[in-house]
Amino acid sequence: QVQLQESGPGLVKPSETLSLTCTVSGYSISSGYYWGWIRQPPGKGLEWLGKIHHSGSTYDSPSLKSRVTMSLDTSKNQFSLKLVSMTAADTAVYYCARIPYSNPDFWGQGTLVTVSS
Amino acid sequence: QSALTQPASVSGSPGQSITISCTGASSDVGSYNYVSWYQQHPGKAPKLMIYEVSIRPSGVSNRFSGSKSGYTASLTISGLQAEDEADYYCSSHTSSTTLGVFGTGTKVTVL
Repeated sequence: QVQLQESGPGLVKPSETLSLTCTVSGYSISSGYYWGWIRQPPGKGLEWLGKIHHSGSTYDSPSLKSRVTMSLDTSKNQFSLKLVSMTAADTAVYYCARIPYSNPDFWGQGTLVTVSS
Repeated sequence: QSALTQPASVSGSPGQSITISCTGASSDVGSYNYVSWYQQHPGKAPKLMIYEVSIRPSGVSNRFSGSKSGYTASLTISGLQAEDEADYYCSSHTSSTTLGVFGTGTKVTVL
């Protein structure tokens, strides 16, 4: 069974950079699929951040205006997200997920990131 | 890319059937059979319930079924149970962006 687990800080100061890592077990990320990031502000819906192909190609959300960087670490079976210039509007639960085509199938449990000084 | 449109809430009594709609456009639901449905309980991650319009992953109850007609996909829950009370989201492939598009979400209440 594929399992994903997000890790990273729960609190980020305004203007700082958020760094999150997703550790995958039960599947080798270099074998296939896209691997992506989705967030959910408190009480709101799901929002795409971006996805990275197992080959390393990345696709990010135009609404985030190039604030997103994603990478793979196949030696650790992990992929990562960096989101720069954080503001209070970025407070959300951040999920990592496996993406067979456009829609996720397996999700991490999510990690709450709060932006506050 | 605008979100797919779902009703904000749907309710039903135990044992009844309910249907949640997910309306898109020709660039997404209308042109592709890559529509998925997710169930999300409070404080939990979304769980895949249906993919490719009507396919249930292993372990998902056969009380959940999916369909599509034109620009609208639908999720039907039959024999409604208390444990089905949750938020439900649809998602679709779209030609408008390189990422998918999520629905606005529907809160299902079991009366």
